[in-house]
Amino acid sequence: GAVVSQHPSWVICKSGTSVKIECRSLDFQATTMFWYRQFPKQSLMLMATSNEGSKATYEQGVEKDKFLINHASLTLSTLTVTSAHPEDSSFYICSARVLTSGGTDTQYFGPGTRLTVL
Amino acid sequence: GEDVEQSLFLSVREGDSSVINCTYTDSSSTYLYWYKQEPGAGLQLLTYIFSNMDMKQDQRLTVLLNKKDKHLSLRIADTQTGDSAIYFCAAGNDKIIFGKGTRLHILP
Repeated sequence: GAVVSQHPSWVICKSGTSVKIECRSLDFQATTMFWYRQFPKQSLMLMATSNEGSKATYEQGVEKDKFLINHASLTLSTLTVTSAHPEDSSFYICSARVLTSGGTDTQYFGPGTRLTVL
Repeated sequence: GEDVEQSLFLSVREGDSSVINCTYTDSSSTYLYWYKQEPGAGLQLLTYIFSNMDMKQDQRLTVLLNKKDKHLSLRIADTQTGDSAIYFCAAGNDKIIFGKGTRLHILP
């Protein structure tokens, strides 16, 4: 089946630095990828929709200048957390949308990246 | 680790009730969620239940939890065409594991 990978799987960084998280679809192309954030013991929150070759669409309350999304190819989307602060510590999950020739629309999730900002 | 399973497809006639089932493996999962994905959109949280509850009702939605069997279900009463979507079951604590999603198809 379709596989989505994320790199790194976990990262620890100092406050004020920037961190880049990659989301890759390994055996398929995805025109749309989604970025989610999960706070401890809370549900997943959609942050933004990433479309290949165009600007990402951010959900209300998500700072686009802080969470930079680049979807440069059909298999790669990146999320950069700029000037990270401890409150950005969270679990970030991406997913890739697949539209089949038969017309089905499904979504495959990456394993997630745990970010800890000291 | 946690594994979440759900059937991939469900077809229901408009006006009938839809029941989407899910099983999970980790009995220590505290939080159990149902998410809805409409065509072209990201996941949106539909409802959730804590493991110390066995039922939660919210308008047309009823969530039933059988903790002994590790079975979760979502019932949608009076199913409408707008309910056509993919429904994801998820379970976990600090990390949430998602099922593969159940595609709900509404028959006229």
